[in-house]
Formats: sequence, structure tokens, C-alpha cells
Amino acid sequence: DAGVIQSPRHEVTEMGQEVTLRCKPISGHNSLFWYRQTMMRGLELLIYFNNNVPIDDSGMPEDRFSAKMPNASFSTLKIQPSEPRDSAVYFCASRVRSGGKEQFFGPGTRLTVL
Amino acid sequence: DAKTTQPTSMDCAEGRAANLPCNHSTISGNEYVYWYRQIHSQGPQYIIHGLKNNETNEMASLIITEDRKSSTLILPHATLRDTAVYYCIVRVALAGGTSYGKLTFGQGTILTVHP
Repeated sequence: DAGVIQSPRHEVTEMGQEVTLRCKPISGHNSLFWYRQTMMRGLELLIYFNNNVPIDDSGMPEDRFSAKMPNASFSTLKIQPSEPRDSAVYFCASRVRSGGKEQFFGPGTRLTVL
Repeated sequence: DAKTTQPTSMDCAEGRAANLPCNHSTISGNEYVYWYRQIHSQGPQYIIHGLKNNETNEMASLIITEDRKSSTLILPHATLRDTAVYYCIVRVALAGGTSYGKLTFGQGTILTVHP
């Protein structure tokens, strides 16, 4: 099992550009989470999907952020337009079922917005 | 979810037991105690969880006090690779199979294992 796969691992972009982060959950998992981690705010949940449907997006900072899950094996987190304060490590995690005990995290995408 | 309190940092000698405390004095009866850790530059990793009883797995042991207001994660023989940030999280568990069980991460304890 390859685990949760995220791409790219590093992204450097300029303010105002569109950024798309990608995540492939573990096969058979039906819950997917996007987190953001910064020194100031720690690890924050942005959005949670269950069976490809967004259940809780209360952590999405503002309209510049959007997330989709078109199928069970792929999700994207898009920032448009990006700002320097969006610089962070973005993690994707998946879980075997709603209420399952363990979230499996990917390696993260380190985003730097200049 | 109940808030947790952990020491900011701890040290441990390699080969010795590491005992990481967590205070969750406002925990409710339907809330589990979860522990995750995050090794530098990696995503968090699940360690163990429990409700009332003590739990043990291949990674660690979890001791929960009888009143459930605090717990201790025990790494029985710490190695250098156990150096990480350890997060104690209280997570609600709902009946009915549709539990969300949101994880809210605090600042955690930075555990440094030294030779």
C-alpha cells in the first residue's frame, strides 16, 4: 500500500497565482481530510469529505479556497488567488470509514507564496 | 470537544521509558482520548486511543485515570526515532455509525530522545 499520496511535495508561486494541491487517498478509504499547518496556528482542519461529499468545510479560511473530490481516489485543494499568508504545509489524510479510529496522513505539500 | 493540556517539551534518555502526560479535565463520557505524533517534516501518525480502560499496542501504552481527567502515553523503550511532537486529542464518538469524530490538534509535547 502506497499510503496517501500528495503532489506536488513543494510548490513555490507568486502572489495572485492559482495553486492546486492534489491528493490520492488510500484505496478503500471513504473519508478524506485536508489540513493546513503553520507555526502560528498549528495543524488546522480545513475540510472533510465522506463518500466524496463535503461534510464540514467550516475550516476553509475564505472564498479563495475551494476543495473538490470528483471520485473516491482523487481530491484537489485550490487557492485562487494565492497570498503570502497562505504559505504553509498542507496535509491530506484519509480514513477507512466515517467514525473509523485512525486517520492516515500524507507527506504534505509545502507551499510558499512570494 | 474537550480541551487538552500538555507540557511544551520533555526529554528522555534512549532506552528508557518516556511518559507523556495529558490533562483533559473537561472530558465528556462519550469522548475518546487519542494520541498522534509528528516526526519532523512528516505527516502526523496515529499511535493509540482509549475510552476508559488502559490500552496497549505495538507502539505504546495508554493509561487513563479512573476519573478520565488525565492520561499518560508510555513509550516503553524510547529510541532516537521517537523524537517527535506528540499530540493528545479528545475526540467525540457518536453512536449510529455516522460519527464524524473531528480531530482538533493542540500544540503538543516536543519529545526529545537523547543518546
